[in-house]
Amino acid sequence: NAGVTQTPKFRVLKTGQSMTLLCAQDMNHEYMYWYRQDPGMGLRLIHYSVGEGTTAKGEVPDGYNVSRLKKQNFLLGLESAAPSQTSVYFCASSWEGYYNEQFFGPGTRLTVL
Amino acid sequence: GQQVMQIPQYQHVQEGEDFTTYCNSSTTLSNIQWYKQRPGGHPVFLIQLVKSGEVKKQKRLTFQFGEAKKNSSLHITATQTTDVGTYFCAGPDTGGFKTIFGAGTRLFVKA
Repeated sequence: NAGVTQTPKFRVLKTGQSMTLLCAQDMNHEYMYWYRQDPGMGLRLIHYSVGEGTTAKGEVPDGYNVSRLKKQNFLLGLESAAPSQTSVYFCASSWEGYYNEQFFGPGTRLTVL
Repeated sequence: GQQVMQIPQYQHVQEGEDFTTYCNSSTTLSNIQWYKQRPGGHPVFLIQLVKSGEVKKQKRLTFQFGEAKKNSSLHITATQTTDVGTYFCAGPDTGGFKTIFGAGTRLFVKA
């Protein structure tokens, strides 16, 4: 039982490049989330999903897209990376919504030059 | 918009001293969660409080939920170096699907 896994762990991009971050969970959770964490700013929600085939915008969705084609996977895409997107990205999942604890992945450290 | 605020932002303590972090919401919360993130790690769920005035203990950690369900606190008695990390509180947004995290309190413990 791996819990929540994220790939890659580290990535360096040049401005304008694109990439996809993959999150996978093996707990059969319905809800999945993408957060970014910047120093002193806590965790900010980018996008989330309440079930397979659904996605919704969070607090800071601009510049990102997501897809949840399979229940266990939640993909975060950056179409044209900008230095402002340099951050640590965490994926999380939970059984349902806010009454259930969130399980976090190990994070992806992304640097955009 | 809805906000969840935490104070202090940082706290340096000597090992053995107590530590408290406070969480305040701009709206009434149905529940509040607390997470701990070790340096270089990911957030890990500690506890959830649901009832007004609720107090829960986990060994040296004491969690409280205010009577008005708009504030909460985490108190650590006799800190140890293993307590180092950032403590986040989190509450549901008014829409119901999302969780709003506070900015966290980073705890430094000097041996």
